[in-house]
Amino acid sequence: DSGVTQTPKHLITATGQRVTLRCSPRSGDLSVYWYQQSLDQGLQFLIQYYNGEERAKGNILERFSAQQFPDLHSELNLSSLELGDSALYFCASSARGGHISTDTQYFGPGTRLTVL
Amino acid sequence: QKEVEQDPGPLSVPEGAIVSLNCTYSNSAFQYFMWYRQYSRKGPELLMYTYSSGNKEDGRFTAQVDKSSKYISLFIRDSQPSDSATYLCAMGSRAGGSYIPTFGRGTSLIVHP
Repeated sequence: DSGVTQTPKHLITATGQRVTLRCSPRSGDLSVYWYQQSLDQGLQFLIQYYNGEERAKGNILERFSAQQFPDLHSELNLSSLELGDSALYFCASSARGGHISTDTQYFGPGTRLTVL
Repeated sequence: QKEVEQDPGPLSVPEGAIVSLNCTYSNSAFQYFMWYRQYSRKGPELLMYTYSSGNKEDGRFTAQVDKSSKYISLFIRDSQPSDSATYLCAMGSRAGGSYIPTFGRGTSLIVHP
């Protein structure tokens, strides 16, 4: 158990809908990362937050948005869902968002999103 | 061409075999290299990282980096059924104060008793 929790575990929804995925980082970790893992694209970085502020952005669609709250939990909002958004969404946390040699990212168990 | 290429496998070996997992990359700016292990229905967990050419050993695992060839490897000695998982290589460089890795698609490893 990494200490990172994600809810829900599974989500089934229809095209055009909007969903919210939630992540609670490890106790004391200030940085949260969101990743998408699909069979055709592999694991792709979406966005990073550090202590409530956006720090880095990756291949995140405009239909997707995220935020980190004062209690450091984070939410990933996915809207106007398409079939191709079906994937595993992972949240990871690290202490400071620094270099991997001193600041390991710990991954949660993921949320499996199915868009029908 | 993707920045990081990794054969998805599956790679099936008998228990006790030496396993070799490999990735190639195209971005010469990559400075650090990692291997993650991902069990079915779980998130990835960091196995090893290195940021120089050469070998780094940790127990039964050895990570090897050849920057001149843009090629990295993970060797697993005396493989066990519990090593059956997907192995993801990842690499990256510092960008604007962040260290965000680029992942390979993963190689599925099956170690059978």
